[in-house]
Amino acid sequence: DTGVSQDPRHKITKRGQNVTFRCDPISEHNRLYWYRQTLGQGPEFLTYFQNEAQLEKSRLLSDRFSAERPKGSFSTLEIQRTEQGDSAMYLCASSWTGEETQYFGPGTRLLVL
Amino acid sequence: GQQLNQSPQSMFIQEGEDVSMNCTSSSIFNTWLWYKQDPGEGPVLLIALYKAGELTSNGRLTAQFGITRKDSFLNISASIPSDVGIYFCAGRGGTSYGKLTFGQGTILTVHP
Repeated sequence: DTGVSQDPRHKITKRGQNVTFRCDPISEHNRLYWYRQTLGQGPEFLTYFQNEAQLEKSRLLSDRFSAERPKGSFSTLEIQRTEQGDSAMYLCASSWTGEETQYFGPGTRLLVL
Repeated sequence: GQQLNQSPQSMFIQEGEDVSMNCTSSSIFNTWLWYKQDPGEGPVLLIALYKAGELTSNGRLTAQFGITRKDSFLNISASIPSDVGIYFCAGRGGTSYGKLTFGQGTILTVHP
């Protein structure tokens, strides 16, 4: 039984570059969520998918952020023209419809120089 | 928007002591979850609560969903060094099926 996996675990990039993160949910889960966590804070919701449909987006998700889940399985989160303020841990979680519990992956830590 | 206030912010205790932390909200939640996070890792689910008044245990951990649906607490009994970490409460409100709102976290340090 594999949990949620995320790749890469760490990413260092220069300001202005684009980055893409991948999340693979627990295999039977049809809901997938993205959160962002900065140092000393709890995770903040960014967006979530049910199957391939993106059902909710936070105001935190600026125009530079885009998330996709084209086949209803894995998801990608892309940040274009990265800024230093984008430095954070990006967490992915998954769940099954009707079950409230979200299970988190290990996260991708992004550092923008 | 919904806000969660988690307290205390940090705790320094001796091994064997009991620990209590709580979360309060300005809004009603339908689900309360408690997670533990180690440095550099994602949150790991400890306990999930689905009904007002529900009291649930997981080993040495006990959590309750407040009757008003605006609060929850977590107790850890007979703490051990591996309990060290950051504990987060999270709530799911009625307006969103997806979004969890997290507290600021409680940093727990256990001295042997």
